[in-house]
Amino acid sequence: NAGVTQTPKFQVLKTGQSMTLQCAQDMNHEYMSWYRQDPGMGLRLIHYSVGAGITDQGEVPNGYNVSRSTTEDFPLRLLSAAPSQTSVYFCASSRDGQFYEQYFGPGTRLTVT
Amino acid sequence: SQQGEEDPQALSIQEGENATMNCSYKTSINNLQWYRQNSGRGLVHLILIRSNEREKHSGRLRVTLDTSKKSSSLLITASRAADTASYFCATVAGGSEKLVFGKGMKLTVNP
Repeated sequence: NAGVTQTPKFQVLKTGQSMTLQCAQDMNHEYMSWYRQDPGMGLRLIHYSVGAGITDQGEVPNGYNVSRSTTEDFPLRLLSAAPSQTSVYFCASSRDGQFYEQYFGPGTRLTVT
Repeated sequence: SQQGEEDPQALSIQEGENATMNCSYKTSINNLQWYRQNSGRGLVHLILIRSNEREKHSGRLRVTLDTSKKSSSLLITASRAADTASYFCATVAGGSEKLVFGKGMKLTVNP
């Protein structure tokens, strides 16, 4: 199993540009989530999904959109990038919600200039 | 908003010594989890302890949970240079479906 994969590994955007961060998992996990990690802030939950077709907001959802059309994929869209969105983004999945261990992807380092 | 806070924020020890990290949280929890993050990598799950458990072991790791004090500790015995990483506690508050992470603490194990 590849586990949780994320693409791209690195990305530089200009302010106002849009892009999609890809996340895929091959473990048939129902639960997937997106976090951002900033220095000194730990991980903060952006959006999560409890299954295909179901998404909900986390702690810091503004400026991000998600959709979950399949169990495997959970892309994160930045609608109009801002310097405040410079961060490292992690996707995670788990078998059945937060009560089980989270499997994290390797992360995407995003810089917005 | 952070639920768990790790203490100390940084710890430097010699190989072979034990390392103890503490996590305090504010509200009642369903479970508490510990994760490790090596530099530039994603987080790796270490251990999960449920609110009705007091202690759990996994290899060189020992986790305790004191719900009356709203705190947990992670003990790494006989540390190795490869244990150098950041460690995070994460909690699932009662009635919530969200896992909230602390800010993490950095462990350095010197060879």
